[in-house]
Amino acid sequence: AQSVTQLDSQVPVFEEAPVELRCNYSSSVSVYLFWYVQYPNQGLQLLLKYLSGSTLVKGINGFEAEFNKSQTSFHLRKPSVHISDTAEYFCAVSEGGAQKLVFGQGTRLTINP
Amino acid sequence: GAVVSQHPSRVICKSGTSVKIECRSLDFQATTMFWYRQFPKQSLMLMATSNEGSKATYEQGVEKDKFLINHASLTLSTLTVTSAHPEDSSFYICSATPPTRVTGEEFGPGTRLLVL
Repeated sequence: AQSVTQLDSQVPVFEEAPVELRCNYSSSVSVYLFWYVQYPNQGLQLLLKYLSGSTLVKGINGFEAEFNKSQTSFHLRKPSVHISDTAEYFCAVSEGGAQKLVFGQGTRLTINP
Repeated sequence: GAVVSQHPSRVICKSGTSVKIECRSLDFQATTMFWYRQFPKQSLMLMATSNEGSKATYEQGVEKDKFLINHASLTLSTLTVTSAHPEDSSFYICSATPPTRVTGEEFGPGTRLLVL
């Protein structure tokens, strides 16, 4: 069965500093990988996804993620964060061909001025 | 495009009553929709997969008689929380995948349920 681990429950960062949110997964088959952002009391917004092809995926709001098959990781990065990036971030995986998602525990990103 | 809506956005009810939550795909048809539950400061947990014209598929540990799902049309799925209790208070989120995509869901804005 597939599972997703987000290693950091909270990440505090100063504004304009770089950030990396870590995500590792386990699966016995090929997977699709996603990062979502959730602002307070709202649904989820897709930041980016990896389906196939280039392992470096660029998303919205300046975020990018790199798929590393050997390390079964899909870490999310942003070179310079803004106050508005304060939110909860979820990594998710679906096994190839299946639509339903399995989510990680989430990482709360807090940007300090 | 690819918008999913939910109604209501927030509902407060008394213990023992039933609450219906609607999930609509506004500009695409969805043969499959998903219902998730999110407790405060926790992740999303898949409750069930809603299949148009057939029975929903429930995840392990989710009571199908308590969480009734109806997917009567290609744009609407409903989740009814029957005889709600305070422990059912949660954030319920639905999602659907547009047919033009391989995968990757569009999520509704969520429904906050508070059972008193």
